[in-house]
Amino acid sequence: EDQVTQSPEALRLQEGESSSLNCSYTVSGLRGLFWYRQDPGKGPEFLFTLYSAGEEKEKERLKATLTKKESFLHITAPKPEDSATYLCAVQAESSYKLIFGSGTRLLVRP
Amino acid sequence: EAEVAQSPRYKITEKSQAVAFWCDPISGHATLYWYRQILGQGPELLVQFQDESVVDDSQLPKDRFSAERLKGVDSTLKIQPAELGDSAMYLCASSQNRRGKGETQYFGPGTRLLVL
Repeated sequence: EDQVTQSPEALRLQEGESSSLNCSYTVSGLRGLFWYRQDPGKGPEFLFTLYSAGEEKEKERLKATLTKKESFLHITAPKPEDSATYLCAVQAESSYKLIFGSGTRLLVRP
Repeated sequence: EAEVAQSPRYKITEKSQAVAFWCDPISGHATLYWYRQILGQGPELLVQFQDESVVDDSQLPKDRFSAERLKGVDSTLKIQPAELGDSAMYLCASSQNRRGKGETQYFGPGTRLLVL
């Protein structure tokens, strides 16, 4: 069964304190792995797509990496406006639906 | 920048009543998805359309939920009758249908449903 597990469930950081979020997955053939940001009461906002192990993508203070079993979202020198829930999802070769993890709730304190 | 539109943004209803949600995908996107997100969890697919055809509705509770995309553009999701356990965020997403590689789905703002 295709599955995504995210850790930690919640993370509190001081402004400027770098850290990483983890997304472990099992899927019968990976078509793509996706990272989204979701603010309270809003829909998920697309951040990155990763297609194969070894791939990396960056956007401002965020960097996503991918191995055959997991993905990391690295946050460098975070700011309070980075506070949100970060969702990881996989898309299997057999389907185009996204299978999501439960997310990591990030709080960055000034 | 093109966006997925959804309405209403919020809906409060009593159990056993009927509710309907509307979604207008990004122009030119052939594939449309309806997801349900319970508080504290990730979204889960309810139904997927390719143009006007249903591709996957295996997780749609068909005794009370229905979805249509008659002209292959906008879509309506209906619940009748609503139950307390249906309280959740209902998200619509669309994608271009490039096939092959992982296809990015873009989400709308969602409709938050509260069943009393």
